[in-house]
Amino acid sequence: EAGVVQSPRYKIIEKKQPVAFWCNPISGHNTLYWYLQNLGQGPELLIRYENEEAVDDSQLPKDRFSAERLKGVDSTLKIQPAELGDSAVYLCASSLRSGGGPSYNEQFFGPGTRLTVL
Amino acid sequence: KNQVEQSPQSLIILEGKNCTLQCNYTVSPFSNLRWYKQDTGRGPVSLTIMTFSENTKSNGRYTATLDADTKQSSLHITASQLSDSASYICVVSVNDYKLSFGAGTTVTVRA
Repeated sequence: EAGVVQSPRYKIIEKKQPVAFWCNPISGHNTLYWYLQNLGQGPELLIRYENEEAVDDSQLPKDRFSAERLKGVDSTLKIQPAELGDSAVYLCASSLRSGGGPSYNEQFFGPGTRLTVL
Repeated sequence: KNQVEQSPQSLIILEGKNCTLQCNYTVSPFSNLRWYKQDTGRGPVSLTIMTFSENTKSNGRYTATLDADTKQSSLHITASQLSDSASYICVVSVNDYKLSFGAGTTVTVRA
């Protein structure tokens, strides 16, 4: 079974340019997460989707970040315009669903997209 | 202040040796505690999951312990291999979906 797929794996852009990241979760996983991971730090949650609904976007900087999961499957995270401080790894994760104990809500992570803003 | 603190920040060990990583947390209450392994350029992969009632959980050469009273966990790596070189992240589940991540311990195994 394929894991969480993310693309691109690497992206280098100049500041003020837009950028988008794509994530395809594990088949059948209803819950999708976007995380930001700075170098030497653990991931920080940006947004969580239950199917197509964003149920927790409290940590998403909405002035420049946006996300969508239109059909409740794959998702796109966008930054417009990018700033130097946005350089980080953006991880996507998915789980069967929230709730129901650790067997159901264990999160499986993709390889991430490493963004460098020059 | 981070609610999950890990130590040491990094360590170097010789192949075949054992090592122990520490995790202290202040998250309360918590649903479960996980240890993840993150290889360079890859996403984290779950090694062990323990609920508050479990004291130890093994996965091959990895053994995790949990003391819910002192809010401490450890991950012991036995007979280290070169492929164990990675970052090991302690993660505490606040509830069913919210995770608090430690900054990780970077382990380098040398031949």
